[in-house]
Amino acid sequence: EVQLVESGGGLVQPGGSLRLSCAASGFTFSDHYMDWVRQAPGKGLEWVGRTRNKANSYTTEYAESVKGRFTISRDDSKNSLYLQMNSLKTDDTAVYYCVRVDTNFYLDYWGQGTLVTVSS
Amino acid sequence: IQLTQSPSFLSASVGDRVTITCRASQGISSYLAWYQQKPGKAPKLLIYGASTLQSGVPSRFSGSGSGTEFTLTVSSLQPEDFASYYCQQRNSYPVSFGGGTKVEIK
Repeated sequence: EVQLVESGGGLVQPGGSLRLSCAASGFTFSDHYMDWVRQAPGKGLEWVGRTRNKANSYTTEYAESVKGRFTISRDDSKNSLYLQMNSLKTDDTAVYYCVRVDTNFYLDYWGQGTLVTVSS
Repeated sequence: IQLTQSPSFLSASVGDRVTITCRASQGISSYLAWYQQKPGKAPKLLIYGASTLQSGVPSRFSGSGSGTEFTLTVSSLQPEDFASYYCQQRNSYPVSFGGGTKVEIK
């Protein structure tokens, strides 16, 4: 059974940093691209970014809204995905989902999400 | 690529046929997916490639379209289908979602 479990959310002040983690199990993590998607309270879904797999040099893509502030990384030896968030703004307040990308490049498995609140 | 969903809100009864539209700001071939999200839960992939049903999804759900106009249809709405629905394109980066359609009980 595919499982994605996020952790690391919490309350942080504007301008601060936070690192989210996602523990994956039930599939060959190293084969898959992985995404982060977020959802502000009461709002729609917003794609944050993607890391490709080793075969594609672990390259990354980001939404314009987070480019230069957020960094996605992965550790295939630990079946883990990370999201380093710097220079946080109040607009970054959201539930952050770790998502598996399938072979057709759609988002087929989602974690339960972790809440990040940016507030003074 | 901007995805515009309509309507944003839909009130319907059990047994109704429901259609949601997603329009793309430029052509995306058939690189479109639909997701269902229930309150407090993560989204669930329903349809990909505009019309292919994800494994385990009931056949009352169907998708169609290509290019810039797409539809999600529920042939006979069931109580468990009251949720929010989102379209998503994977034609080009950045990946983008539509604004969502909330389907509520009339």
